[in-house]
Amino acid sequence: GAVVSQHPSRVICKSGTSVKIECRSLDFQATTMFWYRQFPKQSLMLMATSNEGSKATYEQGVEKDKFLINHASLTLSTLTVTSAHPEDSSFYICSARGRRRGDTRQYFGPGTRLTVT
Amino acid sequence: QQPVQSPQAVILREGEDAVINCSSSKALYSVHWYRQKHGEAPVFLMILLKGGEQKGHEKISASFNEKKQQSSLYLTASQLSYSGTYFCGTAANTGNQFYFGTGTSLTVIP
Repeated sequence: GAVVSQHPSRVICKSGTSVKIECRSLDFQATTMFWYRQFPKQSLMLMATSNEGSKATYEQGVEKDKFLINHASLTLSTLTVTSAHPEDSSFYICSARGRRRGDTRQYFGPGTRLTVT
Repeated sequence: QQPVQSPQAVILREGEDAVINCSSSKALYSVHWYRQKHGEAPVFLMILLKGGEQKGHEKISASFNEKKQQSSLYLTASQLSYSGTYFCGTAANTGNQFYFGTGTSLTVIP
């Protein structure tokens, strides 16, 4: 149980276009989902926390108008990279936290590799 | 916000032991440990909750000292499959964000 999927797994887009990445919890409901970005040989950096039905909370330095997050249901959160540029090329990973009280474990998606040309 | 891990990198021969440390500037509710292979998502190893507990399975165990806001991961009799980057992850309480540590690259050689 506790499976999280991401789609697409890889995407290549041209500079200036927008890309949407989906994160789904397949067999559980997630009130909170997190979006991370990882550059080569670096740690996973938290971009934003999204709570179902409310606005996402962005980390300092992350442009909320560029990285649009929507958590419309208990099983789906989306990250849209708007007007993508080559420096946005990265590995994007989402995670979800379960609904059970006291469940602090993170369940990770397999990640999406974005390449902006 | 980001926990600091040490060492940054370590190279071991098969069968040797290693300790990876994770230190936070914030009071912690839980510490999680993950291993990541190149190009893949992190794989969960274990979670330790506030209470100073120590956990382990097989040859990988961890401790959590909430007073010092530190956790350590212990790998004994390392195997080639242990190679990867290890990250701690921390949560200040059940409702807060979750931050990954700076990472420790571990390489096990024959």
